[in-house]
Amino acid sequence: DVKVTQSSRYLVKRTGEKVFLECVQDMDHENMFWYRQDPGLGLRLIYFSYDVKMKEKGDIPEGYSVSREKKERFSLILESASTNQTSMYLCASSLRAWDSGNTIYFGEGSWLTVV
Amino acid sequence: KQEVTQIPAALSVPEGENLVLNCSFTDSAIYNLQWFRQDPGKGLTSLLLIQSSQREQTSGRLNASLDKSSGRSTLYIAASQPGDSATYLCAVRPSGTGGFKTIFGAGTRLFVKA
Repeated sequence: DVKVTQSSRYLVKRTGEKVFLECVQDMDHENMFWYRQDPGLGLRLIYFSYDVKMKEKGDIPEGYSVSREKKERFSLILESASTNQTSMYLCASSLRAWDSGNTIYFGEGSWLTVV
Repeated sequence: KQEVTQIPAALSVPEGENLVLNCSFTDSAIYNLQWFRQDPGKGLTSLLLIQSSQREQTSGRLNASLDKSSGRSTLYIAASQPGDSATYLCAVRPSGTGGFKTIFGAGTRLFVKA
């Protein structure tokens, strides 16, 4: 089975701190994604990566950056955390973009509270 | 712009009932449609994926159908159980965006009463 692992399940950070959320997948997937999920707003794509060192902005990239130095690892960085970034963050991965049989797999999520 | 709508937003049924969850999308140009389950505080678990050339997929008590021309999908759950209680999300992968962006519905929150 594909496994997407988010290293931190629950974090509490102070406003202005730099926050790193780590995600690792074990199936040699090309594509990796970061979403945030908020009540009433659903899942929103922050950033995605289709290859090592490649990244693309999603729908809500402001206040975030990402890093993909190795194929299996995709990091989300909050440069200066703010209270409106309190949310559930979900990492996902998939094998290829253009394969219609391509399933997207999710990690367990990281709950971030910024105080 | 692709939009995904799920109706109803919430549903409560007695154990053993068969039920249907609905999903509609506005643009038929999709690679696939996927149904997920999400338990409270957890990530999404993939249930079924229907490719654009397919009409339905089945897994155990679950059956998902896809009608691309009308922009609709249904998830049928047979003989519901309390363990089926969760939020069910459908998602489409539009073919026009290079296949990277998956668009999610807001979900249907299901509660199965014992």
